[in-house]
Amino acid sequence: GESVGLHLPTLSVQEGDNSIINCAYSNSASDYFIWYKQESGKGPQFIIDIRSNMDKRQGQRVTVLLNKTVKHLSLQIAATQPGDSAVYFCAEPILTGGGNKLTFGTGTQLKVEL
Amino acid sequence: DAGVIQSPRHEVTEMGQEVTLRCKPISGHDYLFWYRQTMMRGLELLIYFNNNVPIDDSGMPEDRFSAKMPNASFSTLKIQPSEPRDSAVYFCASSLLGVYAGELFFGEGSRLTVL
Repeated sequence: GESVGLHLPTLSVQEGDNSIINCAYSNSASDYFIWYKQESGKGPQFIIDIRSNMDKRQGQRVTVLLNKTVKHLSLQIAATQPGDSAVYFCAEPILTGGGNKLTFGTGTQLKVEL
Repeated sequence: DAGVIQSPRHEVTEMGQEVTLRCKPISGHDYLFWYRQTMMRGLELLIYFNNNVPIDDSGMPEDRFSAKMPNASFSTLKIQPSEPRDSAVYFCASSLLGVYAGELFFGEGSRLTVL
C-alpha cells in the first residue's frame, strides 16, 4: 500500500513580510531549545538557541520566544527573504538512559513567495 | 575548516548488499552524531560518540546497523545486509561541547537508496 509520510505544516509568506514558526513541547522540565534550518538537499543548520531562564533571544533578523507557561516556542523571522525558504525544526536535548539526545520536531516548511 | 565531510553523497545498492557510510568531523570536536532522516519518521538519532566512545546507541534500528569511530577524525556507519526500508538520508554531525552547549554542525548527508 501507499506509505504515508509526515505531514509537514507549511507556512507561505510574501517576501518582506515577517514569519512566525511555532513549536510546542511537552516536558515542563525542558531547559534548552534550539532552532535549525534545513535547505533542500543540505543538512540542518543552527539558527539560534535559548535557555529556559530567558523568554526572548534575538539574533540577526531572527527572534526566538519561549513561553514556559504553555510550553510553546516560536521563531520569528523579520523581513523574510527568498533565501529563508527551508524547513525549520525546533530541537531539544532529551535525557535518556544513555545520555542527552538532541531530538528534533517534525519541522515546518517555510515558502517565501515573490 | 571544511566542515563535516560525508561520503558518499549518494549510494544506490541492492537489497542484501553491505553499505558503508563515512564521516569526517570538524577537527577538535569531541562529539559525533549519526542521524537518519526519512519522510515517515523525520530526523532520528541513531548513535553518538564522545571522544571516540559510543555513548548512546539506542537509536540503532537493529543488529544490521553498526557504527565505529576508530579515531577522532573518522567514523563509519555500516548496514549489513541492507534492506529497502533503510533507504533514507544519513547525516553525520559533530559538536565541540555536546547538545547542551551550542550547535551541532551537520554534513551534507548521504542519500541511500536500497532497491
